[in-house]
Amino acid sequence: NAGVTQTPKFRILKIGQSMTLQCTQDMNHNYMYWYRQDPGMGLKLIYYSVGAGITDKGEVPNGYNVSRSTTEDFPLRLELAAPSQTSVYFCASNRDTYSTDTQYFGPGTRLTVL
Amino acid sequence: EDKVVQSPLSLVVHEGDTVTLNCSYEVTNFRSLLWYKQEKKAPTFLFMLTSSGIEKKSGRLSSILDKKELFSILNITATQTGDSAVYLCAVVFNTNAGKSTFGDGTTLTVKP
Repeated sequence: NAGVTQTPKFRILKIGQSMTLQCTQDMNHNYMYWYRQDPGMGLKLIYYSVGAGITDKGEVPNGYNVSRSTTEDFPLRLELAAPSQTSVYFCASNRDTYSTDTQYFGPGTRLTVL
Repeated sequence: EDKVVQSPLSLVVHEGDTVTLNCSYEVTNFRSLLWYKQEKKAPTFLFMLTSSGIEKKSGRLSSILDKKELFSILNITATQTGDSAVYLCAVVFNTNAGKSTFGDGTTLTVKP
């Protein structure tokens, strides 16, 4: 199993540009999450999904959108990028929330908005 | 407002020392507390704690939860340079979605 994979690893955007961060997991996990981590800080939840077709906002959803058309994929869309969105973005997944709360994280995408 | 506070923010020790990292929390709907290790990349899971007073142990690492006083500690004995990392504490809410809130982490540096 590849686990949770994210692309790209790095990206530089200009203010106002848009992009999609890709996240795929091959563990058949229902639960998927997007976090951002600013320097020296913990992770902040952007959006999450409890299954295909079901998404909801986390702590810091403004400026982002998500979709979940399949169990495997959970892309994060940035519209009109702003410098405040410079961060490292992590995607994570969980098998279920009844037997374990352990989340498996992807390697992250480092995004810089100039 | 739900919050998770970790202390200290950073710590420098020498190989062989024992360290204790702290995580206190104030949340309205607690289900579990997780510890992760982050070494310049994705966090990796260490422990999940749900019950007070039951120590979880893995090699030189151990952790315990106190649900009355609302805190957890992570102990690392006989530290090694490979233990240098950011240690994150996260509290999971008792909801279907498994949402969690993270502390800002403790940066541990172990010098030879």
